[in-house]
Amino acid sequence: EIVLTQSPGTLSLSPGERATLSCRASQSVSSSYLAWYQHKPGQAPRLLIYGASSRATGIPDSFSGSGSGTDFTLTISRLEPADFAVYYCHQYGTSPYTFGQGTKLEIK
Amino acid sequence: QVQLVGSGGGVVQPGRSLRLSCAASGFTFSSYALHWVRQAPGKGLEWVAVISYDGDNKYYPDSVRGRFTVSRDNSKNTLYLQMSSLRPEDTAVYYCARALWGSYRSPLDYWGQGTLVTVSS
Repeated sequence: EIVLTQSPGTLSLSPGERATLSCRASQSVSSSYLAWYQHKPGQAPRLLIYGASSRATGIPDSFSGSGSGTDFTLTISRLEPADFAVYYCHQYGTSPYTFGQGTKLEIK
Repeated sequence: QVQLVGSGGGVVQPGRSLRLSCAASGFTFSSYALHWVRQAPGKGLEWVAVISYDGDNKYYPDSVRGRFTVSRDNSKNTLYLQMSSLRPEDTAVYYCARALWGSYRSPLDYWGQGTLVTVSS
């Protein structure tokens, strides 16, 4: 099983700042089958990034993904109030498909 | 537009069974793999099951294999999750989700609103 470890667990930033979230895999994620989701309380998760760096439909270009192999990063270039949420990485290349434990992005 | 509506959750005693349903609309249901993902209270997301577009292939993590069975009825545009031998640790909000490209090796682009299952005596 591929274990995904996200860091930091909580990130406290202010609107307008840049956020950098990390996801490290216990073994290489095949063909960059790595996605990022945004999840707010009481809502369904929202797909942001797939294939490590491709933005999903309707996702603003303030969100970007990078990385390959075992190290991946989600960057939010300029935080808006609506961006404060929990973010999960997800590998869908090898069963069992796994999620990271999440990074909570909170307003400072 | 794409919609996934989950139902069937509730309170169930340990060791009992429960079946969740997920009714889909707004897309060609029979062309897409579908997943179940859960979130226990205060915890992160956990993948539970996937079924291929035609129902021929199904995969599970060790935590539910042998107790949970995913199925689908393409004539009714409905996904199911039959859960048996339920444990308190199965308490969670269960989401159904669609695979972006149809294949199960695919990110999840649309999710249902979630249905809560509570396993308690």
